[in-house]
Amino acid sequence: DAGVTQSPTHLIKTRGQHVTLRCSPISGHKSVSWYQQVLGQGPQFIFQYYEKEERGRGNFPDRFSARQFPNYSSELNVNALLLGDSALYLCASSPPGTEVGETQYFGPGTRLLVL
Amino acid sequence: AQSVTQPDIHITVSEGASLELRCNYSYGATPYLFWYVQSPGQGLQLLLKYFSGDTLVQGIKGFEAEFKRSQSSFNLRKPSVHWSDAAEYFCAVGYQKVTFGIGTKLQVIP
Repeated sequence: DAGVTQSPTHLIKTRGQHVTLRCSPISGHKSVSWYQQVLGQGPQFIFQYYEKEERGRGNFPDRFSARQFPNYSSELNVNALLLGDSALYLCASSPPGTEVGETQYFGPGTRLLVL
Repeated sequence: AQSVTQPDIHITVSEGASLELRCNYSYGATPYLFWYVQSPGQGLQLLLKYFSGDTLVQGIKGFEAEFKRSQSSFNLRKPSVHWSDAAEYFCAVGYQKVTFGIGTKLQVIP
């Protein structure tokens, strides 16, 4: 079975631009979470979506937004990019019955570089 | 607010030696605790988790962790390290919003 997939794998943007990152969960998983991992740090929780509704939000500015589609894939959008947004963005999906994060399968991530 | 402290940023062990990675947490209730491993260029892989019950938890790849409520600790152990265990290890705590530690980078020398 395919794992969590993310696209693109790498991305270079300039300050002020907008970016959209995509995530496809494991088949049958309805919950998707997004994390930001800055170099040298642990992942930081950004959002969780379950059944297309936002279930949790971390301490990130409103420039960060996300949505989940009827097929349970998800997009993370970041507006007005700052240099500090450079990071590895990880997506994780959770199997049915574990939607509160106790079991998460992570994708390989999208590495974003903001110049 | 929940938090995780991993006091060792970098650890070097010899292949075949035992390993213990430290993790201390702060959480307002019975914690959900996790250990993840991240190899270069890879996503995070769950090694083990603790929610309740037996405080000694067995995970994949021969790892185990012990939950000690009195010490707010959840240390990861392995009796004999293999070269392929070289990676970064993250302790995490939380329910729905999972908080990760800064990570411990493990180097294995022959």
